Amino acid sequence: GAGVSQTPSNKVTEKGKYVELRCDPISGHTALYWYRQSLGQGPEFLIYFQGTGAADDSGLPNDRFFAVRPEGSVSTLKIQRTERGDSAVYLCASSDLGTDTQYFGPGTRLTVL
Amino acid sequence: QKEVEQNSGPLSVPEGAIASLNCTYSDRGSQSFFWYRQYSGKSPELIMSIYSNGDKEDGRFTAQLNKASQYVSLLIRDSQPSDSATYLCAVIVSGGYNKLIFGAGTRLAVHP
Repeated sequence: GAGVSQTPSNKVTEKGKYVELRCDPISGHTALYWYRQSLGQGPEFLIYFQGTGAADDSGLPNDRFFAVRPEGSVSTLKIQRTERGDSAVYLCASSDLGTDTQYFGPGTRLTVL
Repeated sequence: QKEVEQNSGPLSVPEGAIASLNCTYSDRGSQSFFWYRQYSGKSPELIMSIYSNGDKEDGRFTAQLNKASQYVSLLIRDSQPSDSATYLCAVIVSGGYNKLIFGAGTRLAVHP
């Protein structure tokens, strides 16, 4: 079956702009995660959804970052007033109910000029 | 101290040799451990999960877990040039809502 998909694959924006990154999890997966990966580092946790609600948003770096999952499937990560330090690959992962194995999407490479 | 530590490498091994990748973690209550492979410019791909002390084998890959020493390793037998990638160790810490804590990864280079 189809894996996790993310759009866009690349996003270039200017400092101060607003961006939205989309994640479509594996069909039927109830858990969805967002991570951010900087060059030479492992992915860093941002937020975890179980169904429609954010069960853990402790990784969001500040209030410029926000994520939603209104129907318990597709999720959107929203970044306001982007800064150059937000440049990274944003990864989405999903897992099935009752399991802790996460499958990653291809990521969105965000570049803030 | 970082929660999950890995040697950044590069670890260089000849084709056909055994590659040994190591990882230590700080949270003694961790119960779930994962190895992901990441090719340059790609996203992490799950190789193996391990939950109990001892060895777990899957094809050319063997994961080893020692909770007393807070150590998890990955052995790759008969290494191939196509195994050249960054290997990420990830841990779910106790009370962590299934969020993965990753090490920075070890870069493996298998040369013909």
